[in-house]
Amino acid sequence: GQQVMQIPQYQHVQEGEDFTTYCNSSTTLSNIQWYKQRPGGHPVFLIQLVKSGEVKKQKRLTFQFGEAKKNSSLHITATQTTDVGTYFCTGSARQLTFGSGTQLTVLP
Amino acid sequence: DSGVTQTPKHLITATGQRVTLRCSPRSGDLSVYWYQQSLDQGLQFLIQYYNGEERAKGNILERFSAQQFPDLHSELNLSSLELGDSALYFCASSPTGTTNEKLFFGSGTQLSVL
Repeated sequence: GQQVMQIPQYQHVQEGEDFTTYCNSSTTLSNIQWYKQRPGGHPVFLIQLVKSGEVKKQKRLTFQFGEAKKNSSLHITATQTTDVGTYFCTGSARQLTFGSGTQLTVLP
Repeated sequence: DSGVTQTPKHLITATGQRVTLRCSPRSGDLSVYWYQQSLDQGLQFLIQYYNGEERAKGNILERFSAQQFPDLHSELNLSSLELGDSALYFCASSPTGTTNEKLFFGSGTQLSVL
C-alpha cells in the first residue's frame, strides 16, 4: 500500500530561523494536502497541491509539490512561536494515509 | 470551530470494557472518517463512511466497529479494551469523500484505558 514518510520527525529551531519539513511517497500522488495540529488541538487543513512542480505561498509558508509528484515540502521563513505544532502531509489514496508528522518547537 | 462535533471529549474506562464514541459531521458533509492518534504518533486511518455505507477500511482492529446512521452521524465502537487502545480518536468529515477534498476534524475524544 501507499507509504508516506515525513522527515524530520522532530525539529527545534530558534525563533526567527527557517524550518523545512519533507514528505515522500512511495507512489505517485494525484494531490497532496498539508495539515497543522497545534499542541492539544486537532489537525487543521493548510493547503492542497495538485500540479507537478506547483508552488504555493501563504505568508511565511511556502509549499512545493515535486516534479514527479512523489514528494512535497513545507518551508517556513523566520519562524514565530505561533508556528509551534505538528505538520502533517497526506497523499491521495482511498485511505488518506497521513505522514508521521514533523513536530516543530520554536524556542523564544 | 470546524463544525464537526465529537462526544465525549474525555473517556476513562477499564480494560475489557466497551465504549462508544460519537461524531456529528459538518452540515452537508456526507463522508465521515475515523482516525486514531497515540501519544506522539501520527494519524492512523481507521475507517471511512459515505452516506451510510463503508467506503474504505484502514488499520482497524476486529474489536473495533463503526457505522454511519441515516442522519449521517457516526459511532465508533471499541470493545474488549486494552491498555494500548488508549489514544486520541478523531473524527473528520468532508462533503463527498473524494480524495481531493480537505478534511474537517473534530476536537477528538481522549480515551484512557486503565
